[in-house]
Amino acid sequence: DGGITQSPKYLFRKEGQNVTLSCEQNLNHDAMYWYRQDPGQGLRLIYYSQIVNDFQKGDIAEGYSVSREKKESFPLTVTSAQKNPTAFYLCASSIDQLGLYTWSNQPQHFGDGTRLSIL
Amino acid sequence: AQTVTQSQPEMSVQEAETVTLSCTYDTSESDYYLFWYKQPPSRQMILVIRQEAYKQQNATENRFSVNFQKAAKSFSLKISDSQLGDAAMYFCAYRSALTGGGADGLTFGKGTHLIIQP
Repeated sequence: DGGITQSPKYLFRKEGQNVTLSCEQNLNHDAMYWYRQDPGQGLRLIYYSQIVNDFQKGDIAEGYSVSREKKESFPLTVTSAQKNPTAFYLCASSIDQLGLYTWSNQPQHFGDGTRLSIL
Repeated sequence: AQTVTQSQPEMSVQEAETVTLSCTYDTSESDYYLFWYKQPPSRQMILVIRQEAYKQQNATENRFSVNFQKAAKSFSLKISDSQLGDAAMYFCAYRSALTGGGADGLTFGKGTHLIIQP
């Protein structure tokens, strides 16, 4: 079955450590996204990528980095510069074809999330 | 920047009855898309329904329907014949259609926790 796989499900970070969250999709979607969810809050956009080797900052990119070397993969690194990393992280993807006006109505499909905590 | 407001942190409804979740948004754009997502305790985000702003007709998906009032910037979700499986967090989300070719993400409200009373 096609879908989005996030791993690990739970992750613990030590002080000063970088950690990487994995996101893989086999939906052949062009665009991929990372969101952060805090208790009592909606999702906030960290980074997004419309095409391989290109990505853009979202609303809360500070302290995070991403790469998009393959269409299927969009890993998120939470760096030591992110002082409050404890949150639930969701990866999403959607069909977004460059040059087509109507792509925005395509829904985003989400993974099951990774919960990151501080040791 | 666009904002999405869900003014009801929590709603409760009796099983088999109807409930309406409210959502308002602020934008200066004329073309955009609106979505309702459901997040059950499993934390997975599930698309419930979507609406294109250029369409006057309200979207409907089985027991779920929306009341889209573009001038009022309102996008409420009506759930008919509520079922126990409808219990979840519900998020309203906005996406611009005019991003200059970029695939911007969704802007979410803070969510409404829906409780279904048996």
